[in-house]
Amino acid sequence: GEDVEQSLFLSVREGDSSVINCTYTDSSSTYLYWYKQEPGAGLQLLTYIFSNMDMKQDQRLTVLLNKKDKHLSLRIADTQTGDSAIYFCAETPQTGNQFYFGTGTSLTVIP
Amino acid sequence: DTAVSQTPKYLVTQMGNDKSIKCEQNLGHDTMYWYKQDSKKFLKIMFSYNNKELIINETVPNRFSPKSPDKAHLNLHINSLELGDSAVYFCASSQAGLKYEQYFGPGTRLTVT
Repeated sequence: GEDVEQSLFLSVREGDSSVINCTYTDSSSTYLYWYKQEPGAGLQLLTYIFSNMDMKQDQRLTVLLNKKDKHLSLRIADTQTGDSAIYFCAETPQTGNQFYFGTGTSLTVIP
Repeated sequence: DTAVSQTPKYLVTQMGNDKSIKCEQNLGHDTMYWYKQDSKKFLKIMFSYNNKELIINETVPNRFSPKSPDKAHLNLHINSLELGDSAVYFCASSQAGLKYEQYFGPGTRLTVT
C-alpha cells in the first residue's frame, strides 16, 4: 500500500506558529487531508486539499502542497494550548474508497 | 445529533471470546469504514464497504468480519479474540462521490486479557 510519513513529535510555544509535515508516495493521490485527534476522542477532519491546488487557507490553518516532492504541510498560526493533539495527514488515491493515514504527529503546545 | 456513533465505548474481554462492535451513522452516507489504531497511534484501514463492494485490507485476519444490516450500520464482529487485537477501533463514513469528507466515530477501546 501507499506510504504516508510524518515526524512523530512537535513542541511549540503558545502564540508561535506550528508546521507539521507529511510526505506520501502515491502520485495518483486526489485528495490530501489533515485530521486532528484529541486525547480519548475520534478523528476530526480539519481541512483537505485537492491535488491540483498548491495552497489552501482556512482561518489559522494553511495547507501547502508540493506535488512534485509529494510533500504536504499544515501550518497553524498563533498556536493555542487547545491545539495540543495528534495530527494525521491522509490521502486517497484516484480510484476506490481507500484512505491512507500517516503515522501521526503529536503536537504539544507549551504555555 | 451524533453523526457517527459506536457502541460500546469500552470493551474488556478474555482471549478466545467472540465480540461485536456496533456503528451507526445518520449522515445518509453510503460508504462506511473500520479502522484499527494501535498503541502507537498508527491508524490502519481494515474495511471499506458500501452496498456494492466490500474492500478488505489483506492484512486483516479472517476472524474479523463486517456485517451491514442496512446502509446506516456497519458492525464489526471479531471471533476468537487474541491479545494483539487490543486497540482502539474507529468507524467512519463518507459519501462515495464525496470521499473527501469522511467522518469518524468516537472509537471503541478493546482490551483483551
